[in-house]
Amino acid sequence: EIVLTQSPGILSLSPGERATLSCRASRSTSYLAWYQQKPGQAPRILIYGASSRATGIPVRFSGSGSETDFTLTISRLEPEDFAVYFCHHYGSSQTFGQGTKVEI
Amino acid sequence: QVQLVQSGAEVKKPGSSVQVSCKASGGTFKSYAINWVRQAPGQGLEWMGRIMPIVGTTKYAERFQGRVTITADKSTDTAYMELSSLRSEDTAIYFCARDGGGFYSKWGPGTLVTVSS
Repeated sequence: EIVLTQSPGILSLSPGERATLSCRASRSTSYLAWYQQKPGQAPRILIYGASSRATGIPVRFSGSGSETDFTLTISRLEPEDFAVYFCHHYGSSQTFGQGTKVEI
Repeated sequence: QVQLVQSGAEVKKPGSSVQVSCKASGGTFKSYAINWVRQAPGQGLEWMGRIMPIVGTTKYAERFQGRVTITADKSTDTAYMELSSLRSEDTAIYFCARDGGGFYSKWGPGTLVTVSS
């Protein structure tokens, strides 16, 4: 089973700033997705295949990385972007990172 | 566009079982897998298992083997997750999520299951 470790646990930023979230995998994978979750809501897919934006996701969200090191970047934070972000390995096993909270 | 509609909140006693349903509204499951993921209060996401409704094949996370059963009714486009031998640690929101190519392209709203004596 691949273990995903996200950092930092909490990211305190202001609207308009750039957010950089990290997800490190215990073994190499190319099946890496990112989700956004707001309080009281289900997660929403943002990025799959490490760098492909899902349908309807704004271009300020981008994913990068390969093998064991992955990054989600939000170029300029909008008020609605303050949420928790999870990475997800979806290969033969299914695991999630513990999440990064992006707060004001 | 298909939406996933889940059954309502449940309160269960320790040792009992719970079944949560997930129905595709406005569409069908087609050939997509349906996954079940849970989230304990204030915690992260935990994959429990999946089913491919079109053929009925299932796969379960090792830690839930023997305690979780996932089924699907193709005629009603409804998937079910049953968790048995409930304990307080099973208190969580249970989500169904449709595969979009391995990742989860669509999620149900979640069902809160509370286990309490």
